Amino acid sequence: EIQLQESGPGLVKPSQSLSLTCSVTGYTITSGYDWSWIRKFPGNKMEWMGYISNSGSTNYNPSLKIRISITRDTSKNQFFLQLNSVTTEDTATYYCARRHRRSGFDYWGQGVMVTVSS
Amino acid sequence: DIQMTQSPSLLSASVGDRVTINCKASQNINKYLNWYQQKLGEAPKLLIYNTNNLQTGIPSRFSGSGSGTDYTLTISSLQPEDFGTYFCFQHNSWNTFGAGTKLELK
Repeated sequence: EIQLQESGPGLVKPSQSLSLTCSVTGYTITSGYDWSWIRKFPGNKMEWMGYISNSGSTNYNPSLKIRISITRDTSKNQFFLQLNSVTTEDTATYYCARRHRRSGFDYWGQGVMVTVSS
Repeated sequence: DIQMTQSPSLLSASVGDRVTINCKASQNINKYLNWYQQKLGEAPKLLIYNTNNLQTGIPSRFSGSGSGTDYTLTISSLQPEDFGTYFCFQHNSWNTFGAGTKLELK
């Protein structure tokens, strides 16, 4: 069974960097698919942030492009999100998900809530 | 960006009811429309992909339809485990989500 699990600090100070890990079990991230980060804001608006492909290429939401980086550790079957210069507007629940290019996101993690506050 | 307008935002229904949830795109999304169910504290679950394809393991009471800009999720006979939040998602051009529909017990 494919499972994704997010982890990382639940509280980040403004202007600092937010760093999250997605650990994948049941599927090797280099075998196929794109590996994405998505967030849900208070009030339920959802935003696709970006992905890293099975080959290691990345694609980011243009609205985040100067602040975001998605990387991976293939030895641990994990991928990572770094979001720089956070503000209170980055407070959200962050999800990782597997994306099929023709059918969208099929497996998601349960999400991790991150609050940006001093 | 393609905007997704989902309605209703809140739906009250009873076990056995037939319910429909709608999503309207701001432009043609060529049937690249998925539906997800989410329960509190759980991962979203894919129900339907590309308008009308039932994900493996999803009961047949769930179905999807639509084309162009207008899409519908139908639950033919609501079961107790179906209560939760549903959202649509388009992946024709970039990726955007509907705002969600909370389905609650009447």
